[in-house]
Amino acid sequence: EVKLVESGGGLVQPGRSLRLSCGASGFTFDDYAMHWVRQAPGKGLEWVAGLSWNSGSIGYADSVKGRFTISRDNAKNCLYLQMNSLRVEDTAFYYCAKDMVFNYYDSSGFRFDYWGQGTLVTVSS
Amino acid sequence: SSELTQDPAVSVALGQTVRITCQGDSLRSYDANWYQLKPLQAPVLVIYAKNNRPSGIPDRFSGSASGNTVSLTITGAQAEDDAVYYCSSRDRSGDVEFGGGTSLTVL
Repeated sequence: EVKLVESGGGLVQPGRSLRLSCGASGFTFDDYAMHWVRQAPGKGLEWVAGLSWNSGSIGYADSVKGRFTISRDNAKNCLYLQMNSLRVEDTAFYYCAKDMVFNYYDSSGFRFDYWGQGTLVTVSS
Repeated sequence: SSELTQDPAVSVALGQTVRITCQGDSLRSYDANWYQLKPLQAPVLVIYAKNNRPSGIPDRFSGSASGNTVSLTITGAQAEDDAVYYCSSRDRSGDVEFGGGTSLTVL
């Protein structure tokens, strides 16, 4: 059974940093691209960042570029999101999501077949 | 803001058929996917690449496309289908974007 479990969310002040983690099990982690997707309270889904199986391709939404860093440790089956210079508008549930292919920029990429239950990040003073 | 447009809310009587639509220019070039979101649960992919169901998704879910519009059809809606549904597709830069979501109420 595929499982994705996010952790690391919480309350943080504007301008501070937070690191999210996502532990994966039930599939060959280093065979697939992985992503972070968020949902602000009362809003829709927004793709945040993604990276290919070997971290060779990495992409970010314009809203987080330069502030967030996505990474993975294939030996530990873990995905990470380092969030710096946090803003109030970054407040959201953050979901870890598995892609169906190893390189998300392939034509078959950006199809998220498994998701975690999310971790809440609240940015407030 | 998203360039994929969805109706904010739709309702259907139990056992009846409902169609949820998503419109956008990018849909002329790229396939769409559909996700089901329920409160406090992990999102679920219900349709990918226009009309493919992942394993475990009931066959009452189907997808279709025509021009700049894609549709998710639930034939014989069940109470457990009450959820918010999001379409997604590639955007102009090659990344992914989501529609605004459609809240489905099963009456």
